[in-house]
Amino acid sequence: DVVVTQSPLSLPVTLGQPASISCRSSQSLEHSDGNTYLHWFQQRPGQSPRRLIYKVSNRDSGVPDRFSGSGSGTEFTLKISRVEAEDVGVYYCMQGRHWPFTFGQGTKLEIK
Amino acid sequence: EVPLVESGGGLVQPGGSLRLSCAVSGFTFSSSWMSWVRQAPGRGLEWVALIKYDGSQEYYVDSVKGRFTISRDNTKNSLYLQMNSLRAEDTAVYYCARDPDWGAMDYWGQGTLVTVSS
Repeated sequence: DVVVTQSPLSLPVTLGQPASISCRSSQSLEHSDGNTYLHWFQQRPGQSPRRLIYKVSNRDSGVPDRFSGSGSGTEFTLKISRVEAEDVGVYYCMQGRHWPFTFGQGTKLEIK
Repeated sequence: EVPLVESGGGLVQPGGSLRLSCAVSGFTFSSSWMSWVRQAPGRGLEWVALIKYDGSQEYYVDSVKGRFTISRDNTKNSLYLQMNSLRAEDTAVYYCARDPDWGAMDYWGQGTLVTVSS
């Protein structure tokens, strides 16, 4: 199985400051169809997961533009330009290029 | 309005069976690939299974192959997960989700809790 590794696992951030989460896969997530199947999800406390970004850098409708995704091959990053209180939760990256689909361990973002 | 609503969770003994359902509204179910994802208590997310919009293809994580079956009824806008030979490690909240693009799950249900214990 493709191993997806996130870092850090815990991310204390001061309100208004930037935050960055790294996601690395054990195999390239680039497909011959030209797409890279790496997605980001947010899970707020007590809620279901919510998709934030799909295929590396496509932000979902309703997701604030302070969230951005980048990367290629096996290394990817989720950035939050200025953390707000509503951003508290766990962030997961997930690969959909290889079977079975696999998630990273999750990164818990908290306000410092 | 949540377009996916799971049901069927509960307490079951090891070795037992359970069938989860996911009722869909608000999008065209019959043209949507669908996934099940689970989350053990206090743990991360684990993708479980995926089914093509017409039911002709199914994919599973190795740990449930041969024990779980994903299925759908497009006439009822419903997704199912038949779980047999349940083990303690299957204890989790199970979510159904629309999967339009290889893991890019955009709509999620609220989840249903399955507890496997004697």
